[in-house]
Amino acid sequence: NAGVTQTPKFQVLKTGQSMTLQCAQDMNHNSMYWYRQDPGMGLRLIYYSASEGTTDKGEVPNGYNVSRLNKREFSLRLESAAPSQTSVYFCATYRGGGWTEAFFGQGTRLTVV
Amino acid sequence: ELKVEQNPLFLSMQEGKNYTIYCNYSTTSDRLYWYRQDPGKSLESLFVLLSNGAVKQEGRLMASLDTKARLSTLHITAAVHDLSATYFCAVDITTSGSRLTFGEGTQLTVNP
Repeated sequence: NAGVTQTPKFQVLKTGQSMTLQCAQDMNHNSMYWYRQDPGMGLRLIYYSASEGTTDKGEVPNGYNVSRLNKREFSLRLESAAPSQTSVYFCATYRGGGWTEAFFGQGTRLTVV
Repeated sequence: ELKVEQNPLFLSMQEGKNYTIYCNYSTTSDRLYWYRQDPGKSLESLFVLLSNGAVKQEGRLMASLDTKARLSTLHITAAVHDLSATYFCAVDITTSGSRLTFGEGTQLTVNP
């Protein structure tokens, strides 16, 4: 039982390049999220998907797109990476119903040079 | 817009001492979460507080929630080095649990 799996774990991009961060969960949870973590700022929500087939913007969506491919997978795409997108990205899942916590993947450390 | 503020942001304490981390939030909510993060690692759930007056304890950590004051506390009793980590509170103001807003985190260092 892997829980929440993110790939890749590390990535270096040049400004303007594109890439997709992958997230897969085997917890059968409905909701999935993408956060970014920057020093001194906690975690900020980029996009989320409350259920398969739906996606919504979070606090900092600019420069990102997402796809909820199926119930298990939720990907985050950077179309044209910028140095301001250097961050640690976390995927999380939440069963729903307001009674449980969110579960987080191991994170992707992205550097844009 | 929901704001979640933690205090202090940095805490250095000696082993054996007690201390409290505070989490204030700006909008009514009855669901608050505490997470721990070790350097370079993911977030680990510590506590889920779901109602006013909720109190939960695990080992040397105890969390409480006062929804009227919009305040949660994380109390550390007789700190040990293994508690060194960054602690985050997160608040959810939706009914579906899909919009967690995190505090800035409190970086705790427990010195021998």
